[in-house]
Amino acid sequence: EVQLVQSGPEVKKPGESLKISCTGSGYSFTSHWIGWVRQMPGKGLEWMGIIYADDSDTRYSPSFQGQVTISADKSISTAYLQWSSLKASDTAIYYCARFTSMGKGWFDPWGQGTLVTVSS
Amino acid sequence: SYVLTQPPSVSVAPGKTANITCAGNNIGSKSVHWYQQKPGQAPVLVIYYDSDRPSGIPERFSGSNSGNTATLTISRVGAGDEADYYCQVWDTRSDHAVFGGGTKLTVL
Repeated sequence: EVQLVQSGPEVKKPGESLKISCTGSGYSFTSHWIGWVRQMPGKGLEWMGIIYADDSDTRYSPSFQGQVTISADKSISTAYLQWSSLKASDTAIYYCARFTSMGKGWFDPWGQGTLVTVSS
Repeated sequence: SYVLTQPPSVSVAPGKTANITCAGNNIGSKSVHWYQQKPGQAPVLVIYYDSDRPSGIPERFSGSNSGNTATLTISRVGAGDEADYYCQVWDTRSDHAVFGGGTKLTVL
């Protein structure tokens, strides 16, 4: 079974750093892209970026470029999303998802989501 | 950047058919994918490549795409279909994924 398992919920203060993870199993991790998607409270899905696990080729949404860093460690089939200085507006659920094919693909399956709460 | 527009809400009586639209400039030339998200859960793919269904998704779910509008159709709607539905494409011009704003399906 193809599965993505994300790290647990986080509560942080503004200005703190954070790195959340997404571990894949049941498929060849290095043969697919992994995407990150933000969902703010009560809002829709926003694409943040994707990474190709084999060579770490990364694409960012302009809305998130420079705000977050996406990385991957193929030796442990894990992708990461990190912030160097969190803001209250980063409070959201963050999903990772396998992306099937550059140029026309879709996201499937999705991780269970990681709730990040940033509050003083 | 490419924009996908969905109606915020669609309501349908039980047993009837729901049509959820996704509008975009010449969207018919792109591959459109649809996701269902129930409260407190992660999104689930229900349609890919405009009209293909992943294994495990009921035949009641179908899709079409032409011109400037893609449509997700859910026939014989039941209470279990109440959810938010999102369309998604890959914009090759910007090399970005794009999601529609989402449509809340309410079963009356």
